[in-house]
Amino acid sequence: GENVEQHPSTLSVQEGDSAVIKCTYSDSASNYFPWYKQELGKRPQLIIDIRSNVGEKKDQRIAVTLNKTAKHFSLHITETQPEDSAVYFCAARRDSNYQLIWGAGTKLIIKP
Amino acid sequence: DAGVIQSPRHEVTEMGQEVTLRCKPISGHDYLFWYRQTMMRGLELLIYFNNNVPIDDSGMPEDRFSAKMPNASFSTLKIQPSEPRDSAVYFCASSLRGGRLSQHFGDGTRLSIL
Repeated sequence: GENVEQHPSTLSVQEGDSAVIKCTYSDSASNYFPWYKQELGKRPQLIIDIRSNVGEKKDQRIAVTLNKTAKHFSLHITETQPEDSAVYFCAARRDSNYQLIWGAGTKLIIKP
Repeated sequence: DAGVIQSPRHEVTEMGQEVTLRCKPISGHDYLFWYRQTMMRGLELLIYFNNNVPIDDSGMPEDRFSAKMPNASFSTLKIQPSEPRDSAVYFCASSLRGGRLSQHFGDGTRLSIL
């Protein structure tokens, strides 16, 4: 069936450095790719998303890139700050099915 | 907008008891999703509705789980009888087909079955 693989499961970076989280999807018909951030004890919240007709999208310190040929997409966080510490989830979806297929999550730790 | 509202926020009950979780989606949203989140299994989709109609319930773990959406502004997830392995955080999310495609999550219900 459809699945999304996410790596790494845990990522520890020094404050101020960049962090990259990668996801690979199996369904070539997927055309929408959101990223969610979940802080401890809180709900997942959308931080950025991208559609398949776009290769890259930026919003201040975060960016998402998409390679449709390779079926993978990545989240980039620059100039990391302590408040970036959280679990990040990627997901994929096709227009014909409104169900999101979720990655397993990446725990991002920002070291002071 | 008030966002997705879930109740209760916390529920502690003994095994064998019936548990009912409630969700009010964002007004105007036509999709509603129920998720379960645990450390071991991550975020699992249990069931989702479109215009109050269940579309896919293949994620519902057992017949002990049932979900209803009697109208556009209310949904319930029921577990009867509950078991300790049902302990998890249950999230409800809603989305709008014609608008932004993302799902908006409620704050969740932390369920503990003793």
